[in-house]
Amino acid sequence: RKEVEQDPGPFNVPEGATVAFNCTYSNSASQSFFWYRQDCRKEPKLLMSVYSSGNEDGRFTAQLNRASQYISLLIRDSKLSDSATYLCVGTDAGNMLTFGGGTRLMVKP
Amino acid sequence: DTGVSQNPRHKITKRGQNVTFRCDPISEHNRLYWYRQTLGQGPEFLTYFQNEAQLEKSRLLSDRFSAERPKGSFSTLEIQRTEQGDSAMYLCASSLSSGSSYEQYFGPGTRLTVT
Repeated sequence: RKEVEQDPGPFNVPEGATVAFNCTYSNSASQSFFWYRQDCRKEPKLLMSVYSSGNEDGRFTAQLNRASQYISLLIRDSKLSDSATYLCVGTDAGNMLTFGGGTRLMVKP
Repeated sequence: DTGVSQNPRHKITKRGQNVTFRCDPISEHNRLYWYRQTLGQGPEFLTYFQNEAQLEKSRLLSDRFSAERPKGSFSTLEIQRTEQGDSAMYLCASSLSSGSSYEQYFGPGTRLTVT
């Protein structure tokens, strides 16, 4: 079983829609969680960190549920430019980043 | 451009050949990481350095893989006797060891094709 699991999608949504991704993690000792964004054939870029109290950055909201061991990302008012793969990231036993397989989002006009 | 750079961007090699990739991190970053990414998967951690010390190398995929960072600046990743299964994107990332060490900045990657 992978340490971080995500629905690969794709999620096809119209512009302006709200979309949510979840991911689950198996290592209950994981300390830190993140969402990275990766455009096609580009490198991953940090989108936001995920805190237990939840955090918001503009149209993006991230939540962490330690009891259920899942992380979520909510994108409001989707833009065409949000089309990308969203990688859920935790830390493993060695405190190294461990990436999920990514969830692909396609925002259509 | 002061981001992470990697060379070459693409490498095509025949099975059994050795290949070496280079990564130049962001200049003030003392941590450097290597990952491998295959199609449809997230990056898979391979190894990392803090300055010139290689602090984690147990995740290197086999003894054909090795990495160096001799002066604590750029790093090289070598794959000996390449196999077709080594075809992938090899990503380098760097970060500071102070503050949020998880804020890693990735380079554009080297895409390896083994024929």
